[in-house]
Amino acid sequence: AQSVSQHNHHVILSEAASLELGCNYSYGGTVNLFWYVQYPGQHLQLLLKYFSGDPLVKGIKGFEAEFIKSKFSFNLRKPSVQWSDTAEYFCAVNARSSNTGKLIFGQGTTLQVKP
Amino acid sequence: GAGVSQSPSNKVTEKGKDVELRCDPISGHTALYWYRQSLGQGLEFLIYFQGNSAPDKSGLPSDRFSAERTGGSVSTLTIQRTQQEDSAVYLCASSPAVEASGRAREQFFGPGTRLTVL
Repeated sequence: AQSVSQHNHHVILSEAASLELGCNYSYGGTVNLFWYVQYPGQHLQLLLKYFSGDPLVKGIKGFEAEFIKSKFSFNLRKPSVQWSDTAEYFCAVNARSSNTGKLIFGQGTTLQVKP
Repeated sequence: GAGVSQSPSNKVTEKGKDVELRCDPISGHTALYWYRQSLGQGLEFLIYFQGNSAPDKSGLPSDRFSAERTGGSVSTLTIQRTQQEDSAVYLCASSPAVEASGRAREQFFGPGTRLTVL
């Protein structure tokens, strides 16, 4: 069965610090990869996605993620965080062979940015 | 256009009662998903509808859970004989159909229904 692991459950950073959130998945086939974000009081929304091609993908608000197939990883990065990045971040994987859009999510990482 | 809407936003019920949660997807989206977000558990897939195909019910935790989608649009998730462990936020999402290549499409999430079972 597929699973997604996010190693950092709660991260606290000061503004302007760099961010890297880890995400590893277990699945041997071809995958679609996603990062979703949930700002306080708001809906889940897509941050970025990877389907194929360039393993470095860029998303909204200066976020990027790198797919490393050999490590089954899809880590999220941002060079300089802002207070407004305080949110919960979810990594998700979808198996292409399933022919569905079913997402398997990690447990989420709560990011708190101190002003 | 309107996003995904869910009702009610909050539901408090007593153990043993049945509840119905409603989801209105984005117009034109043929795929609809239900997920459950429990404290400390992340998001858990429950069920997936795609057009007229048989739904993927592989994530439903027990036979007390069921869902239907009428007319390819509105969906209702029903939990019978609720238990305290059913307390969670139930999220609905919709998307266009998965591409023939297997490339999934972005899912748009609703605000969720917070269910509390006393």
